[in-house]
Amino acid sequence: QLQLQESGPGLVKPSETLSLTCTVSGDSINSSSFFWGWIRQSPGQGLDWIGSVRNNGNTYYSPSLRSRVTISVDTSKNQFSLKLTSVTAADTAVYYCARLAGGDLDCWGQGALVTVSS
Amino acid sequence: DIQMTQSPSSLSASVGDRVTITCQASQDISNFLNWYQQKPGKAPKLLIYDASTLKTGVPSRFSGSGSGTHFTFTINSLQSEDIATYYCQEYDNLPPLTFGGGTKVEIK
Repeated sequence: QLQLQESGPGLVKPSETLSLTCTVSGDSINSSSFFWGWIRQSPGQGLDWIGSVRNNGNTYYSPSLRSRVTISVDTSKNQFSLKLTSVTAADTAVYYCARLAGGDLDCWGQGALVTVSS
Repeated sequence: DIQMTQSPSSLSASVGDRVTITCQASQDISNFLNWYQQKPGKAPKLLIYDASTLKTGVPSRFSGSGSGTHFTFTINSLQSEDIATYYCQEYDNLPPLTFGGGTKVEIK
């Protein structure tokens, strides 16, 4: 059974870099059939797609975050990661990782709350 | 980029009622539309893909229809466990991947 689990610091200082990792179990991240993505949800708000990565390292990013985002994959660890630089309070959100099958986000992690505060 | 306009933003209905949510795309997206259910404190869950195909295991009271720019999501006979926020999401021309603003469904 496919499972995804986010991990990383829950508190990040303004202007610093937010780093999260998603560990995939129950399937190989090396499958070329899927992308692996990050989505965030600010408190009380809707869902915002951040970007996606494939097993070969190909990435797609949200235009609004492209200048600050890097998503990478480590197939040896069956993980993929998110880095978001120069964070502000507006980046406070629950960050989800998910598998993207075609256009379907068909399996999600439970989410990780990241607060940006000094 | 494609914009997805979802309405209403919230609704209140009684158990057993039929509930309808609409999603309007800013351009033709064929049937490249999904619907998700998000219960409080939980991750979203895919219910319907390709506008009208029910994911395996999802109760048949949920349905979706539409193509092009106008889409509808229906809950026939609302149950108490259906209390959640529902989102549409398009995938016509990735990237980016765009969500609607969400519809919060409550019990009257």
